[in-house]
Amino acid sequence: ELKVEQNPLFLSMQEGKNYTIYCNYSTTSDRLYWYRQDPGKSLESLFVLLSNGAVKQEGRLMASLDTKARLSTLHITAAVHDLSATYFCAVGEGATNKLIFGTGTLLAVQP
Amino acid sequence: EAQVTQNPRYLITVTGKKLTVTCSQNMNHEYMSWYRQDPGLGLRQIYYSMNVEVTDKGDVPEGYKVSRKEKRNFPLILESPSPNQTSLYFCASSSRARDSYNEQFFGPGTRLTVL
Repeated sequence: ELKVEQNPLFLSMQEGKNYTIYCNYSTTSDRLYWYRQDPGKSLESLFVLLSNGAVKQEGRLMASLDTKARLSTLHITAAVHDLSATYFCAVGEGATNKLIFGTGTLLAVQP
Repeated sequence: EAQVTQNPRYLITVTGKKLTVTCSQNMNHEYMSWYRQDPGLGLRQIYYSMNVEVTDKGDVPEGYKVSRKEKRNFPLILESPSPNQTSLYFCASSSRARDSYNEQFFGPGTRLTVL
């Protein structure tokens, strides 16, 4: 059974600092996704990672994937308040398009 | 605009009163799915559909039904809602085309409270 673990669950950081969110998964998968969710809102797709060593960047966010370690990271550079949200990683399971989600990381960027 | 829509967005009901949450997508996606989101549990899949007339159970299907009579619509039916079905519900869709990477697009969510 595929399981996805994220840590930390809660992250309070100051503006201008860097930090990393980790996403571990238990069995082989060929695709990993990062989503952002603002309070009371839907999930917004941030990154799709498909291969070992894949790295994608958008603004202050950079995601990477190590399929051998079954680990993805979401790195935040020089955080700003607008990045405050909950971030989810999700791993694709088999050929059914099913996503297994981590429990999410609540990021609070303090001025 | 490409989107997934859900209705209603908010619903308060009582135990046992049948309800339907509608979901519609305009992207011609084959795959559609329902999730529920609960604090500390992340998102869990309720049901999914690979195409018209093809549906299957997800991880938490008890107490729910779905149908897929048309490609664009995938309603979620609660025949006899109970308080433990109080949750935030999301519909999602994705293409099964190779170059879509199965990326799922989510609706705005339906907040359901069962009293």
